[in-house]
Amino acid sequence: EVQLEESGGGLIQPGGSLRLSCAVSGLSITNKYIAWVRQAPGKGLEWVSISYSADSADYAASVKGRFTVSRDTPRNTVHFHLATLRDEDTAVYYCARVGGLGLPLDDWGQGTRVIVAS
Amino acid sequence: DIQLTQSPSSQSASVGDRVTITCRAGQNIHGYLNWYQQKPGSAPKLLISAASSLKSGVPSRFSAFGSGTDFSLTISNLQPEDFATYYCQQSYSTPYTFGGGTKVDMK
Repeated sequence: EVQLEESGGGLIQPGGSLRLSCAVSGLSITNKYIAWVRQAPGKGLEWVSISYSADSADYAASVKGRFTVSRDTPRNTVHFHLATLRDEDTAVYYCARVGGLGLPLDDWGQGTRVIVAS
Repeated sequence: DIQLTQSPSSQSASVGDRVTITCRAGQNIHGYLNWYQQKPGSAPKLLISAASSLKSGVPSRFSAFGSGTDFSLTISNLQPEDFATYYCQQSYSTPYTFGGGTKVDMK
């Protein structure tokens, strides 16, 4: 069974930085795509990023240049580095494993909450 | 970015009803369309991938079809556990956008 577990969320001031982690168990993240999706309070889902490999990722325009993804392959963990945080980045952040046909988000973590406020 | 327009944004229904949700893409996405269910306080769950492929373990009362720009999700014989919010998502090109969601609640 594939499981993903996010951690690292919390309360952070505008302009601050935070590192989220997504620990994956049940399969190796090598050659697997991992995505990040967020959900602001009371709002819908917003696709934020996808990590294709240790050195390849894509980002939504709203976070490009501020957020970056990295991988710790020995620990089977994906990190999401959030910088220059804004009020509008307040959300629950989910990581998800991208599946095969159609590239769906097959398995999800439970989410970690990030609150950007002074 | 590819915009996905879901309708309706909310629907009231009763147990046993048939519910259909539509999702229209702003351009041809060639079947790269997925459907998710989300209940309050929980992460989304994948129901259907590639427009019509039911994920293993998902009840067969869920079905979906479509291609190009027009897609739909149907829940036949709505069950109490199906009251939730449903999202479509395109995985044709990044950013892999989501629709605005459809909340199915009890009439």
